[in-house]
Amino acid sequence: NAGVTQTPKFQVLKTGQSMTLQCAQDMNHEYMSWYRQDPGMGLRLIHYSVGAGITDQGEVPNGYNVSRSTTEDFPLRLLSAAPSQTSVYFCASSYSEGRYGYTFGSGTRLTVV
Amino acid sequence: AQTVTQSQPEMSVQEAETVTLSCTYDTSESDYYLFWYKQPPSRQMILVIRQEAYKQQNATENRFSVNFQKAAKSFSLKISDSQLGDAAMYFCAYLMGYGGSQGNLIFGKGTKLSVKP
Repeated sequence: NAGVTQTPKFQVLKTGQSMTLQCAQDMNHEYMSWYRQDPGMGLRLIHYSVGAGITDQGEVPNGYNVSRSTTEDFPLRLLSAAPSQTSVYFCASSYSEGRYGYTFGSGTRLTVV
Repeated sequence: AQTVTQSQPEMSVQEAETVTLSCTYDTSESDYYLFWYKQPPSRQMILVIRQEAYKQQNATENRFSVNFQKAAKSFSLKISDSQLGDAAMYFCAYLMGYGGSQGNLIFGKGTKLSVKP
């Protein structure tokens, strides 16, 4: 039982490059979310999905894109990386609308230079 | 909009002592869920404890307990018999359950807990 798997764990990008952060869960959770964590800011919601084919924006969606073609996978795409997107990114999943808490991946530390 | 406030950026406790981390939140809802998450240096987010707002009884998980004051919108975490492994960032979180962003968490900015041997 792997839980929530995020890849890669670390990444350095140049400004303007694009990339996809991968997230997969094997718990058949319908809810999946992407958060970013910045020092002194807690975790902020980027995008979320309540099921395959359904996504919506969170608090800080600009510069990011998501899709959810399967229950298991929820990739996050950076369209044109900017230094302001330097952060730690977490993917999380849950069932029952998160009432029992979310399971988090181990995070991706992204640096944009 | 709902907000979560953790007023203590850093706290320190002696090993084997008790410490309380504060959290307040703002909401107009009557039914919601609250959580405390622990983030050790490994970066992994670990669920410590959850509270259902419609339950009067405070949640307890081993050495961790909460003081949930619904009218005051306060949700503090008490760690008893503190251990070195309790050193971490602790985040308070509110579950949005209605309208937009349903089922997603709003986090406070965190409290960094140090445990002294």
